[in-house]
Amino acid sequence: GAGVSQTPSNKVTEKGKYVELRCDPISGHTALYWYRQSLGQGPEFLIYFQGTGAADDSGLPNDRFFAVRPEGSVSTLKIQRTERGDSAVYLCASSFGSGETQYFGPGTRLLVL
Amino acid sequence: GQNIDQPTEMTATEGAIVQINCTYQTSGFNGLFWYQQHAGEAPTFLSYNVLDGLEEKGRFSSFLSRSKGYSYLLLKELQMKDSASYLCAVTHGGATNKLIFGTGTLLAVQP
Repeated sequence: GAGVSQTPSNKVTEKGKYVELRCDPISGHTALYWYRQSLGQGPEFLIYFQGTGAADDSGLPNDRFFAVRPEGSVSTLKIQRTERGDSAVYLCASSFGSGETQYFGPGTRLLVL
Repeated sequence: GQNIDQPTEMTATEGAIVQINCTYQTSGFNGLFWYQQHAGEAPTFLSYNVLDGLEEKGRFSSFLSRSKGYSYLLLKELQMKDSASYLCAVTHGGATNKLIFGTGTLLAVQP
């Protein structure tokens, strides 16, 4: 079956611009996670959705970052006024439920110039 | 606080056995995962341990000691395609079960 998909695969933007990153989880998975991975590091947790609600957004670095999952399936991570330090790979993962194995998408490589 | 330690790099020979260690100190624990990540690709699930002991799955095995905060991933009959980063991750627990990752161990398999 289809795995987690993310679009775009690569995004280059200029400092100060707004970007949206999309995640399409595995069908039937109610839990959805966003992580950010910098070069040579492990992924770092950003936000967790159970259904439509953001149950834990404690990993979002500041208020420029926001994520939604309006219908409990597709999620969009939104970054306002991008900074060069936002450059990283943004990974999305989904699981059947909280505590189940998380399956990752291929990620979006964001480069802020 | 949360702290997960694993070696940065390891080198092994094709056909050999390698053990990648992971130690952790976390405020909550609901289990430990190992993921494999090839360069430029997504992490892929390898194993999950929640109880003490050894879980074997083909060429890969994973061990957990909760009392010692210690796990290892054992790879047997190494193949060139096993060259990748191996990520140790602890599930934090609570309602979120977010993963707390180590920095990963970059394994190079040489002929």
